[in-house]
Amino acid sequence: EVQLLESGGVLVQPGGSLRLSCAASGFTFSSYAMSWVRQAPGKGLEWVSSISNSGGSTYYADSVKGRFTFSRDNSKNTLYLQMNSLRAEDTALYYCAKVVAGWAAAGPHDYWGQGTLVTVSS
Amino acid sequence: QSALTQPASVSGSPGQSITISCTGTSSDVGTYNYVSWYQQHPGKAPKLMIYEVRNRPSGVSNRFSGSKSGNTASLTISGLQAEDEADYYCSSYTSSSTYVFGTGTKVTVL
Repeated sequence: EVQLLESGGVLVQPGGSLRLSCAASGFTFSSYAMSWVRQAPGKGLEWVSSISNSGGSTYYADSVKGRFTFSRDNSKNTLYLQMNSLRAEDTALYYCAKVVAGWAAAGPHDYWGQGTLVTVSS
Repeated sequence: QSALTQPASVSGSPGQSITISCTGTSSDVGTYNYVSWYQQHPGKAPKLMIYEVRNRPSGVSNRFSGSKSGNTASLTISGLQAEDEADYYCSSYTSSSTYVFGTGTKVTVL
């Protein structure tokens, strides 16, 4: 059974930094691209970033480019999202999601975690 | 990276069919057959219902179908059931190698 478990979400001040993690199990992690998708309270889904199966290619939404860094450790079946220069508008539930087989990076997502909540506020 | 445009709400009676539209541009929906649809119940993670315009993942009911014409994609739910009441989001691959979601549609079963 595919499982994705996010962690690291907390209350942080504007301008602060945070690292989210996502532990994956139940599939051959190193074979699949992965993504982060966020959802602000009461709002819609927003794609944040995707990473290739090797970690060699990453793609970002304009809203986070230059502030967030997506990485993965295939030896630990874990994803990381380093978030710097956080803003109030980054407040959201952050989901990690597995990309459907055959996609190199950004693509449809067939499995999702339950999310971790990041709140940016003073 | 502007969000794809969806109607805010669509409703129908049990047994009826409804269609949700998703309008993009020539940089996303219009160029690529890479449109997906997700269902999200309150407090739950999204669920993939359709990918690559019309493909259904294993386990998804055949009451859900997808199509595309030009810059607009559509999700049709036939034989509407109470359990179909949820938010639905379209999404597309883009010419920037990124991914974009739609604004979301709340489906109400009357």
